[in-house]
Amino acid sequence: DGGITQSPKYLFRKEGQNVTLSCEQNLNHDAMYWYRQDPGQGLRLIYYSQIVNDFQKGDIAEGYSVSREKKESFPLTVTSAQKNPTAFYLCASSMRGGGSGANVLTFGAGSRLTVL
Amino acid sequence: SQQGEEDPQALSIQEGENATMNCSYKTSINNLQWYRQNSGRGLVHLILIRSNEREKHSGRLRVTLDTSKKSSSLLITASRAADTASYFCATASLEYGNKLVFGAGTILRVKS
Repeated sequence: DGGITQSPKYLFRKEGQNVTLSCEQNLNHDAMYWYRQDPGQGLRLIYYSQIVNDFQKGDIAEGYSVSREKKESFPLTVTSAQKNPTAFYLCASSMRGGGSGANVLTFGAGSRLTVL
Repeated sequence: SQQGEEDPQALSIQEGENATMNCSYKTSINNLQWYRQNSGRGLVHLILIRSNEREKHSGRLRVTLDTSKKSSSLLITASRAADTASYFCATASLEYGNKLVFGAGTILRVKS
């Protein structure tokens, strides 16, 4: 079945540690996105990539890093510089770039990160 | 910010009743989309309505768009317990690089 796979589903991190969240898609979509969701709030865009080897900062990129070495994969690293990383992280993809509004987003099931 | 704002924040209805959720936004848009999220899961796309459209239907869902009032509504008819979820509107505008901006969502609870 085509879709987006995020792992791990739950992750615990000690303060000062970097962690990497995985996002893999087999939809042959060009564009991929990372969003952060906090309780009672909408989704906020962290990073997005419209094509392999290229990515742009979203609204809240500080303390995060990404890579896009393969079309299928868009991992997100939450670094120790992110002061409040506890949140629900959602990866999404769309058929082509040109901004996420140009297309419908397909989301993964999410990864919940908790800082101990 | 062009962020959409949903109203109400939470809605509780009986099975079989209709549910209406509203979304307001601030800037001109290219399109507006509605998504659904079950607790602890990812979002699922429901409907996209373009700025030159006024109404769209999909099964029990009806979406309207009033660009003069910068608002949209999502109507779910004959609700079911399985419709219990959070519903988000998301807007895209050239002024914001055509990136989707999500509102805070409406939590819908359908009681059986």
